[in-house]
Amino acid sequence: DGGITQSPKYLFRKEGQNVTLSCEQNLNHDAMYWYRQDPGQGLRLIYYSQIVNDFQKGDIAEGYSVSREKKESFPLTVTSAQKNPTAFYLCASSSERQSNYGYTFGSGTRLTVV
Amino acid sequence: AQKITQTQPGMFVQEKEAVTLDCTYDTSDQSYGLFWYKQPSSGEMIFLIYQGSYDEQNATEGRYSLNFQKARKSANLVISASQLGDSAMYFCAMREGRGSNYQLIWGAGTKLIIKP
Repeated sequence: DGGITQSPKYLFRKEGQNVTLSCEQNLNHDAMYWYRQDPGQGLRLIYYSQIVNDFQKGDIAEGYSVSREKKESFPLTVTSAQKNPTAFYLCASSSERQSNYGYTFGSGTRLTVV
Repeated sequence: AQKITQTQPGMFVQEKEAVTLDCTYDTSDQSYGLFWYKQPSSGEMIFLIYQGSYDEQNATEGRYSLNFQKARKSANLVISASQLGDSAMYFCAMREGRGSNYQLIWGAGTKLIIKP
């Protein structure tokens, strides 16, 4: 079945470490997105990519980095510059051909700083 | 100014009652789309229903319907005969315009709790 796979489901980071969250899709979607969600809050856009080898900053990009070397993959790195990274991270993808369906989401990664 | 407004941070509803979750939007585009998503406590985002700005009929999907009032710029979600499994966060979102690879604009969400 087509979908988006995020891994790991739970991730623990020590202070000062960089960590990378994986996001892979087999939907042949062109666009991919990373969101951050704090408890009880809405979605805030970190980065998005509309085509391979191109990406744009969202509203809260500071302390994060991404790459889009393949259409299927959009990994997010949480760097040591992100001072408060504990949150729930959601990856999504979309296709203009299926715009009536909005985004397809992964199941998320819960990141905790220890 | 916020483009998507969900005025109800939280709601308690008795099981089997109907629920209306409010969403108002702001856009100057003629072509746009409105979405509702459900987020259970497990965290995944589940697509519920879509309404296009040119659709003349209100969208329906099973127990979900979208009460689309274009002149008022509102797109309320109606859940009929609520169930305990409907307890979740609900997000309204809008897609503006058309073209390659749009972005969705999100509301802050409403936390719905169904009481047995």
